[in-house]
Amino acid sequence: QKEVEQDPGPLSVPEGAIVSLNCTYSNSAFQYFMWYRQYSRKGPELLMYTYSSGNKEDGRFTAQVDKSSKYISLFIRDSQPSDSATYLCATHLTGNQFYFGTGTSLTVIP
Amino acid sequence: EPEVTQTPSHQVTQMGQEVILRCVPISNHLYFYWYRQILGQKVEFLVSFYNNEISEKSEIFDDQFSVERPDGSNFTLKIRSTKLEDSAMYFCASSFPTEGATNEKLFFGSGTQLSVL
Repeated sequence: QKEVEQDPGPLSVPEGAIVSLNCTYSNSAFQYFMWYRQYSRKGPELLMYTYSSGNKEDGRFTAQVDKSSKYISLFIRDSQPSDSATYLCATHLTGNQFYFGTGTSLTVIP
Repeated sequence: EPEVTQTPSHQVTQMGQEVILRCVPISNHLYFYWYRQILGQKVEFLVSFYNNEISEKSEIFDDQFSVERPDGSNFTLKIRSTKLEDSAMYFCASSFPTEGATNEKLFFGSGTQLSVL
């Protein structure tokens, strides 16, 4: 079962652009949603997590959850070359098993 | 800043051999995990470990796999008889759930790239 689906990209944008990254999920029981950033040859690093529908903002990053359509998004404002990485969405129930998307590869061109 | 450390960074082994992947989780964390990522595929859950026992495992984590916390700092993943399809990046992670929260804040190590020949 494909719990989380994510467009793998790659996505290439000019510096300063707004980036939109998206995932869909299959199980309406999922309650917790995370975005991880993964640089080459590194482990995933937690960027954002949300519990409920709506928006959560942290600096240039905004995570958005729409539980009615089972859709999660990450927006990056004023993108920087240092944002170039693979972005993974993830979710889980109340247990310990996280379900990850395939990741979207992002390149921000100076 | 505390981090999860994994050794070795690369491991090459022959099919059928046993391998042990090692991890040192963040010292005050309570939950420990192994995930793997086959090249070009999703990060997949293998197992979680809490209070010196497995709390959850996936279908991937069959009898060929085992985990151990041999002392107060290390957390290991053993693959008893490696197969070609075990070739992947193996990530260790740990978490410390705060009161009323869940384990959403996983901290990952940099991974061990396992190549089975």
